[in-house]
Amino acid sequence: SQTIHQWPATLVQPVGSPLSLECTVEGTSNPNLYWYRQAAGRGLQLLFYSVGIGQISSEVPQNLSASRPQDRQFILSSKKLLLSDSGFYLCAWSQFRTSGGPSNEQFFGPGTRLTVL
Amino acid sequence: AQRVTQPEKLLSVFKGAPVELKCNYSYSGSPELFWYVQYSRQRLQLLLRHISRESIKGFTADLNKGETSFHLKKPFAQEEDSAMYYCALGANDYKLSFGAGTTVTVRA
Repeated sequence: SQTIHQWPATLVQPVGSPLSLECTVEGTSNPNLYWYRQAAGRGLQLLFYSVGIGQISSEVPQNLSASRPQDRQFILSSKKLLLSDSGFYLCAWSQFRTSGGPSNEQFFGPGTRLTVL
Repeated sequence: AQRVTQPEKLLSVFKGAPVELKCNYSYSGSPELFWYVQYSRQRLQLLLRHISRESIKGFTADLNKGETSFHLKKPFAQEEDSAMYYCALGANDYKLSFGAGTTVTVRA
């Protein structure tokens, strides 16, 4: 069966420090991968998604970046954290969607709670 | 661009009462609609999708293209239904657009 892991579960970082959040998927190949930020009252905001190794699409301009160095690994990074980067970050995956096919269910990880002080 | 609106941030109902969570969308193409749920201390997970046309945990949702709505309904709410609910729209790409979410509290 497929599983998705995220770490760390919680993180407290000072302003201006770097960030690296990791997400890995097991039990599937060539998944679509997603990074979201979940904020109270604002729902789920899609930050990045990837449909293949090295391919990253950014949804919103921000202080964050993403990379996909391996098929089932997705990393969220920042060189210098801002206070506004605090939040709950979710990674998700879905089966690779065939052209013209229906949207596939997304499966979510447990999330990382980031606090920037 | 597609957009999903959930007008209620908070919804409180008594156990056994009907519950309806509203979801409206804007999209020029043929949408795919989903409801996701997040129970306390659990991961966000799919509850149901409109193409399945099935009832999950007593919940149903009907896609109304005329009103561009996909409201989630349950005739008799249970305490275990207390959770955060998100409506999501899939367009002809790889992404889902989520609404802001509705927190449901079912009181005994």
